Amino acid sequence: SQQGEEDPQALSIQEGENATMNCSYKTSINNLQWYRQNSGRGLVHLILIRSNEREKHSGRLRVTLDTSKKSSSLLITASRAADTASYFCATDASMDSSYKLIFGSGTRLLVRP
Amino acid sequence: KAGVTQTPRYLIKTRGQQVTLSCSPISGHRSVSWYQQTPGQGLQFLFEYFSETQRNKGNFPGRFSGRQFSNSRSEMNVSTLELGDSALYLCASSDRGGKVTDTQYFGPGTRLTVL
Repeated sequence: SQQGEEDPQALSIQEGENATMNCSYKTSINNLQWYRQNSGRGLVHLILIRSNEREKHSGRLRVTLDTSKKSSSLLITASRAADTASYFCATDASMDSSYKLIFGSGTRLLVRP
Repeated sequence: KAGVTQTPRYLIKTRGQQVTLSCSPISGHRSVSWYQQTPGQGLQFLFEYFSETQRNKGNFPGRFSGRQFSNSRSEMNVSTLELGDSALYLCASSDRGGKVTDTQYFGPGTRLTVL
């Protein structure tokens, strides 16, 4: 099963509104990342937050991390039509001495002009 | 710097055939990872190569294999294709020590359709 699960699965908002997406994960992590994917294309890295950080900002993005609840949220302020995309959280994981990033199922964001 | 490039962008194959996908990482990046993305299973990690060696591996059958060349370019091969192999295959590279769990820079992907 996937490490990260996003909530909601889909979100539709008006341009200018804020969008909040949540990610929950199961095991302890060293870092959590958020990526954006425009329809059927490659992923773009947005932000990385380490396990000892609680909040991080990048432009209109704000990410919070609560390791006690094993959850993270991504807030996009003053959304634009160009923010329409799928957003994924990714956590680091290890199994049998092998490391990898595990991606959540994603939140599809639609920003209506 | 040029981004991660993948070739071909689109591919159509039939069941039983094999396919090779290519990925060129960002210049200077030594870690290259491959992911499979499908509507049903989402994004899944296939494997990672670093300095021509497979360093990390996901849970895919042996039909999925890869290699990395001395210039860090990587290829992924899928033998005996099945319908379920239809997917977007994404390649990613990372710098800063090149850990597979560091920030990943993704290519545009190769859309593989198996008929």
